[in-house]
Amino acid sequence: DAEITQSPRHKITETGRQVTLACHQTWNHNNMFWYRQDLGHGLRLIHYSYGVQDTNKGEVSDGYSVSRSNTEDLPLTLESAASSQTSVYFCASSGRAGSHEQYFGPGTRLTVT
Amino acid sequence: QQPVQSPQAVILREGEDAVINCSSSKALYSVHWYRQKHGEAPVFLMILLKGGEQKGHEKISASFNEKKQQSSLYLTASQLSYSGTYFCGTALISGGYNKLIFGAGTRLAVHP
Repeated sequence: DAEITQSPRHKITETGRQVTLACHQTWNHNNMFWYRQDLGHGLRLIHYSYGVQDTNKGEVSDGYSVSRSNTEDLPLTLESAASSQTSVYFCASSGRAGSHEQYFGPGTRLTVT
Repeated sequence: QQPVQSPQAVILREGEDAVINCSSSKALYSVHWYRQKHGEAPVFLMILLKGGEQKGHEKISASFNEKKQQSSLYLTASQLSYSGTYFCGTALISGGYNKLIFGAGTRLAVHP
């Protein structure tokens, strides 16, 4: 069955370190998205991509970067982790013909100490 | 730009009804509704496109008033399994059809 996976599921890192969160989908979807979820804020869009080599900034992109070298993967990199980036991160994809519904991965809980 | 959801929280007894509202200040192409259970990923419930068409999902239905840029989610005869946080996600006409901006969520608790 097609799916979307994220790794790691839990990560603890130190302030200033570079961290990369992986997202992999097997639906062959063109559109992929990264969100962070914090209490009281819902889901906030970090970066998104509409296809290979395409990346765009979302609402809260400062301190984050993405790259899209193939259809299946959209890794999210925190260049220099800060305590304010402690959050739950969700990856999602969409692109099924005739539908814009987004399928979410299981999430990565990141703690920056 | 974030849509406003109301109420922030709802407590129901099994079998009771509830309405969750989502309001945007921007012109919308579509409204998505998702439900998230504690510790899990959001799950898609339904999408409403311009035109005010009402969609249904079991005993959960929704409407979209494009003149007011508002959507409402109707939960009828609630079940214990309906508990969770409900999010509306809005796609702006100016922002592209695939990018969603989510509201802060409405927490729903259904008790026996």
